[in-house]
Amino acid sequence: KQEVTQIPAALSVPEGENLVLNCSFTDSAIYNLQWFRQDPGKGLTSLLLIQSSQREQTSGRLNASLDKSSGRSTLYIAASQPGDSATYLCAVRYNQGGKLIFGQGTELSVKP
Amino acid sequence: NAGVMQNPRHLVRRRGQEARLRCSPMKGHSHVYWYRQLPEEGLKFMVYLQKENIIDESGMPKERFSAEFPKEGPSILRIQQVVRGDSAAYFCASSLDLLTASSGNTIYFGEGSWLTVV
Repeated sequence: KQEVTQIPAALSVPEGENLVLNCSFTDSAIYNLQWFRQDPGKGLTSLLLIQSSQREQTSGRLNASLDKSSGRSTLYIAASQPGDSATYLCAVRYNQGGKLIFGQGTELSVKP
Repeated sequence: NAGVMQNPRHLVRRRGQEARLRCSPMKGHSHVYWYRQLPEEGLKFMVYLQKENIIDESGMPKERFSAEFPKEGPSILRIQQVVRGDSAAYFCASSLDLLTASSGNTIYFGEGSWLTVV
């Protein structure tokens, strides 16, 4: 069964800290993996997409890595800010155009 | 460059009524996906459509739920005879035609439609 797990479920850090969010998937034959941000009562915003042939992607203070062999991805957020507070979702796709399988998300709170 | 547009954003229905949720994909996108987010649960895939075709409906409940994406107009997710357990946020997403996608298969989500069944 193809499942995606995210740990921790919730995380609270003081402003300025660097942090890592974890995502694991049971079937390593992924097509790509995508990290999203969801604010309360809002839709999803795509942050980073990593193709199965890539090891990492960077956008500003965000860096996502992918290790297919171990079935893991991490989202690294540098110098966290209160505006980073949101739920972060990891999702994998197993074929081109296919459905996304989501993890449960990590709820991040960055305290001023 | 409008994003994925969903309406209504909030919908209240009494048990037994019908709910219709609409989704207009991003301009140029011909692939539409519907996902459901139940309270305290993650996003679950429901259905994947291309224009006039259902590609994958493996996540759709067997009864009361249907989806379409006509040649013209928005995609519609229809829930007949709603029950309290249908209360959830329903998200639509779209992506490029696979034949023309050059930057990977990025998917864009709408703001969601929140259905409350009373």
